[in-house]
Order: sequence, then structure tokens, then C-alpha cells
Amino acid sequence: GQQLNQSPQSMFIQEGEDVSMNCTSSSIFNTWLWYKQDPGEGPVLLIALYKAGELTSNGRLTAQFGITRKDSFLNISASIPSDVGIYFCAGHSGGSNYKLTFGKGTLLTVNP
Amino acid sequence: NAGVTQTPKFRVLKTGQSMTLLCAQDMNHEYMYWYRQDPGMGLRLIHYSVGEGTTAKGEVPDGYNVSRLKKQNFLLGLESAAPSQTSVYFCATGRTEAFFGQGTRLTVV
Repeated sequence: GQQLNQSPQSMFIQEGEDVSMNCTSSSIFNTWLWYKQDPGEGPVLLIALYKAGELTSNGRLTAQFGITRKDSFLNISASIPSDVGIYFCAGHSGGSNYKLTFGKGTLLTVNP
Repeated sequence: NAGVTQTPKFRVLKTGQSMTLLCAQDMNHEYMYWYRQDPGMGLRLIHYSVGEGTTAKGEVPDGYNVSRLKKQNFLLGLESAAPSQTSVYFCATGRTEAFFGQGTRLTVV
């Protein structure tokens, strides 16, 4: 089946630093999604990407859909303590496939 | 506009007991999903539905059953709970963009 490799598994950074995380897939996706999960909550959609090469921003967050359609990255600039959480990538191959494939997440800790 | 609502939020079961988790959505989505989340395992799909009256198996369906009698509701049932089913369960709706509920934390003792 489809697999997503998300890295790094965890990051510990200082407030104000920039962060980068990425996902790679064994197969092509038509959609890439990035979610954030706060402790005790459900994942919340941050950014959705629909075209190869697409670069989309949401405040301090920027995500890109890789040209090969097999990867995506998420950058967070000038991190703040409330950025703490687990970030998940997810991919959708489209067509008759209704299911999202999720990465295992990147745990981000921000030291004030 | 509540989005996706899961009930209950917490539950403790004894081994062998049964229970039903309810997911209700007001987003008029055809697609609904049940996931479980375990440490280090990410989100794993249990069952899903592409419309009222339809259900299908995901990655980890064993020990669970589902029903989608109404478009807005998707029920997840555990007929005979086992400790291995201790997990956090999430319902989600939507096709290309999934929107999640707040989760149900289930402990089976």
C-alpha cells in the first residue's frame, strides 16, 4: 500500500527559530495536506495543496507540493510557543481512491 | 455550526463489553471515516463510508463494525472490547480535505 515517510520524527527548537519538515511518498499524490494536532484535540487542517509545484502560505506557515508529486514540505517561520504540537502530512491519490494516507507525524517542541 | 462532533469524549470499558461511538457532521459531506491513533503509529483507518448506506473496510477493521444509516451520522461499534482496542478514536469527514472531530479516548481494562 501507499506509505508516507515524514521527517523528522521530533524537533526541539528555540522560540524565534524557523522549522522545516517534509514528507516523501512511494507513489504519486494529487493532493497534499498538512495538519496540526494540539494535545487532547483532533487534527486541524493547516494547508491544502493541489498542484505539483504549488507553494501556499498560511500566516507563518508555507507548504509546497513537490514537482515529482511524491513529496511535500512545511516550513514554519519565527516559531512561537503555541506552535507546539504534532504536525501530520497526508496525501490523496485521487480518482476512485477515497482514502487519505497519513505520515506518522512530527512532534514539535518550542522552548520559550 | 458544530462541524464534526464525537460522543462520548471519554470511556472506560471492561474486556468483553460492547459500545458504540457516534460521529455526527453538519457539513453535508458524503465521505466519513473512522481512525484510531496510537503512539508511534500515526492515524490508521478503521472503516469508511462514501455515502448513506455504504461502508467499507480500512487498514485495521478487525474487531469493529460500522453503520451509516443517515448521511450525517457514522457509528463505530465494538462488539467485544479488548485491551488492544485502547486508543484514541477520531471521526473525519470530507473527500480531498478531511475534517476531524475532537476524538474519543477509550480505555479497555
